Amino acid sequence: EAGVTQFPSHSVIEKGQTVTLRCDPISGHDNLYWYRRVMGKEIKFLLHFVKESKQDESGMPNNRFLAERTGGTYSTLKVQPAELEDSGVYFCASSQGGGYGYTFGSGTRLTVV
Amino acid sequence: GNSVTQMEGPVTLSEEAFLTINCTYTATGYPSLFWYVQYPGEGLQLLLKATKADDKGSNKGFEATYRKETTSFHLEKGSVQVSDSAVYFCALRGDDKIIFGKGTRLHILP
Repeated sequence: EAGVTQFPSHSVIEKGQTVTLRCDPISGHDNLYWYRRVMGKEIKFLLHFVKESKQDESGMPNNRFLAERTGGTYSTLKVQPAELEDSGVYFCASSQGGGYGYTFGSGTRLTVV
Repeated sequence: GNSVTQMEGPVTLSEEAFLTINCTYTATGYPSLFWYVQYPGEGLQLLLKATKADDKGSNKGFEATYRKETTSFHLEKGSVQVSDSAVYFCALRGDDKIIFGKGTRLHILP
């Protein structure tokens, strides 16, 4: 089966611009998670979707970040406007839930200059 | 709240050396514990896991034992290889989300 796919793999944007990251989970996985790792720090939870609904968005840093999951399939994470401190690696993961493990994507490395 | 603390890196070892990366956790209840690995240029991969006290997870020569009495899940390997060079993350799963440590970068010299 295809894994979790994220794109782009890298993105370099200027401060103040908008960037949209996309995640395609494993087919049939209702649970989708976004995490990010800012340079040298731990990987932090951003939010959790169950199908198209936001189950937990307690990790979203501020209102410049907007996540959507259209029809419970792929998800997008938009950063608008981007700031320097948003640079890092953004990971997506999906899971069947019910104690099954997570599968992570390869991540999107975002650099804001 | 839940948290994970792992040893700071980078850790540099010679090939065939013994490896230990320490990890301790704070959690309510009985979380599952994991080690994830990120090889250069790749995504996060699950290395091993343990779901209850005294369980031992193992994979690719790596082992870690869930120690409830010391709230630890130290990663060990008896003889490391150059191909083990990567960043290793200790993690726990609680409240349906994974909490990660800061990661330990491992360099293995030939």
